[in-house]
Amino acid sequence: DAGITQSPRYKITETGRQVTLMCHQTWSHSYMFWYRQDLGHGLRLIYYSAAADITDKGEVPDGYVVSRSKTENFPLTLESATRSQTSVYFCASSESFQTTEAFFGQGTRLTVV
Amino acid sequence: AQKVTQAQTEISVVEKEDVTLDCVYETRDTTYYLFWYKQPPSGELVFLIRRNSFDEQNEISGRYSWNFQKSTSSFNFTITASQVVDSAVYFCALSELTGANNLFFGTGTRLTVIP
Repeated sequence: DAGITQSPRYKITETGRQVTLMCHQTWSHSYMFWYRQDLGHGLRLIYYSAAADITDKGEVPDGYVVSRSKTENFPLTLESATRSQTSVYFCASSESFQTTEAFFGQGTRLTVV
Repeated sequence: AQKVTQAQTEISVVEKEDVTLDCVYETRDTTYYLFWYKQPPSGELVFLIRRNSFDEQNEISGRYSWNFQKSTSSFNFTITASQVVDSAVYFCALSELTGANNLFFGTGTRLTVIP
């Protein structure tokens, strides 16, 4: 089925551990994004990618690493998880960055204990 | 300063009532895009509408309508004859065409439609 899928849907990890959130899209969209959603902040952009091997920081990139070796995949890694990174993470894709709508995955609820 | 302000944190209405969700934005760009997204209880975000800064025509799609007013920097969303299925969090977003990180979401308005 066409779409954008995130895995896992739920994750609990300990402070200091590395954790990777996966994102896969089947539309061949050029742009992919990672957002975090926190109460009182709406969605904030962590990183985005314009194409394979091209990534750039968003509003809140500290503590996160991304890669995009293939157009369809855009994993997000928390190198050393902290409690402040407890959040709901959304992956999205779109044909362009600013001018077209984005399609979102179902989100990953990450809890850092 | 917030680029996108959704002052209404939560709204409750009784089914069949009309409801308007407010969105006020701030930008110095002359070219920009505005979006509305819906986040139902299932969690995913669903695109509703996109409007560019040069198109101030109001838009109607079924029970949904949008009022874009550049003079007041507002892009309000009205649901007519609300239904329980409209219960969700609604996000307004602004996209500027300058700079690198320039897609801003408001904090969302949680709409509850009471049967």
